[in-house]
Amino acid sequence: EAQVTQNPRYLITVTGKKLTVTCSQNMNHEYMSWYRQDPGLGLRQIYYSMNVEVTDKGDVPEGYKVSRKEKRNFPLILESPSPNQTSLYFCASQVGGEIDTQYFGPGTRLTVL
Amino acid sequence: SQQGEEDPQALSIQEGENATMNCSYKTSINNLQWYRQNSGRGLVHLILIRSNEREKHSGRLRVTLDTSKKSSSLLITASRAADTASYFCATDKKSSYKLIFGSGTRLLVRP
Repeated sequence: EAQVTQNPRYLITVTGKKLTVTCSQNMNHEYMSWYRQDPGLGLRQIYYSMNVEVTDKGDVPEGYKVSRKEKRNFPLILESPSPNQTSLYFCASQVGGEIDTQYFGPGTRLTVL
Repeated sequence: SQQGEEDPQALSIQEGENATMNCSYKTSINNLQWYRQNSGRGLVHLILIRSNEREKHSGRLRVTLDTSKKSSSLLITASRAADTASYFCATDKKSSYKLIFGSGTRLLVRP
């Protein structure tokens, strides 16, 4: 089944404790992206990747890192999480080229205390 | 600032009625997409309309695009309780590889 998976689905952590949210897709998509969703603000893009070893900042990249060593994986790294990073995070992928239909993972709900 | 803004923010209708949601955006686009999100879940792509298209249909969905007004509308006909969800428009900027979402319309379809 074609899908985007994220792990963990739920995470409660404390300020400053490094964490990684994994994202994997099995559709051989070139483009992958991370978004955060906050009430009243819709989805905001954090980082995106056009292909392996090619990443770029979205609209809200501060406090986040990403890597794209393999085509299928695009982990989101929070080196020193803070309470303002409490949010619902979504990973998405698409075929590539110009922006087109994106396929979303189920989401990761992160709480930073 | 956000590229797309939906209107209304919330909409409550009776089952069987039509639901119309609007989206306005600010800059030139290649395409505009509509997504649906059930509470707290991932987004599901509904329909994509390209900048050179004016109208598109998919089942009970009808999307229009007016590039001169920088606006789009999503019409759901003969709504069902299962259509209850949040609906987001998303646009790309020309020469950009970013997809920018509006803040969404929350639709409640009462049985």
